[in-house]
Amino acid sequence: DIQMTQSPSSVSASVGDRVTITCRASQDISGWLAWYQQKPGKAPKLLMYVASSLQSGVPSRFSGSGSGTDFTLTITSLQPEDFATYYCQQANSFPYTFGQGTKLEVK
Amino acid sequence: QVHLQESGPRLVRPSQTLSLTCGVSGVSISSGDYYWGWIRQPPGKALEWIGYIYYSGTPYHNPSLMSRVIMSIDTSKNQFSLKMTSLTAADTAVYYCAGLSYDYRSFDYWGQGTLITVSS
Repeated sequence: DIQMTQSPSSVSASVGDRVTITCRASQDISGWLAWYQQKPGKAPKLLMYVASSLQSGVPSRFSGSGSGTDFTLTITSLQPEDFATYYCQQANSFPYTFGQGTKLEVK
Repeated sequence: QVHLQESGPRLVRPSQTLSLTCGVSGVSISSGDYYWGWIRQPPGKALEWIGYIYYSGTPYHNPSLMSRVIMSIDTSKNQFSLKMTSLTAADTAVYYCAGLSYDYRSFDYWGQGTLITVSS
C-alpha cells in the first residue's frame, strides 16, 4: 500500500495567516492527489483534486501543488471557518489511502 | 444538488454482519460519472477506504478487508449497499458513503456518516 504522510500533524495559526500543509507519498503517485477538509462531527469536504484543481465552490485562498511524491496545500489569509482537520488522499493505485490528518488550530 | 444518505442498524453484535445502504439523489448512479464507495473513520482516527462499485456492478475492495466486504448496487432504486461480515470491536467507526469521480478519482460527494458500534 502507498503510505501518505502529512506534516505537521497539527499547526496553530491566527486569522489572516498563511498556512502550508505537506503530504508525502511513499511512492510516485503522479498527480493523483486530493485534499479534504473535515470539521468535527461532519463528513470530509473535497477541496482540491488532481493535486492543484480547486473544487467548485471552494474559496480561492485554498491552493494545491505538487506531483510525484511531494504535495502541498496552502491556505492564504486564514478565515475563522478554516480551522479544521485536513486530509490528503492518493488515487494512483489500490487501495486508495489517506494521510493521518493535519489539525489546524487557533493560536 | 447531490445528496447521499446512509441507513442501517447502528449497533451490531460481534461476529455479526453489518448492512448499510446509501440512497443517492440528485444524480443517477447509472450515469457513469461516479464510482460509489464506502469510507470509514474509527473515533479520533484517520479515514480508511473500504471500496467502491461502479454502476456496471464491478467492485473494488481494500485488500485488507476484501474477504469480509460485499458491495452491491441497485440502479432501479438509485442506491448501493455494503455488507461487512465477522465484525469485531475494531470495526467500530463512522461509515461514510461517497461518490468518487470517474475522471479525477476524488470523493466529490459524501453522506453525513453513520456511527456503527460493534458491541455485545
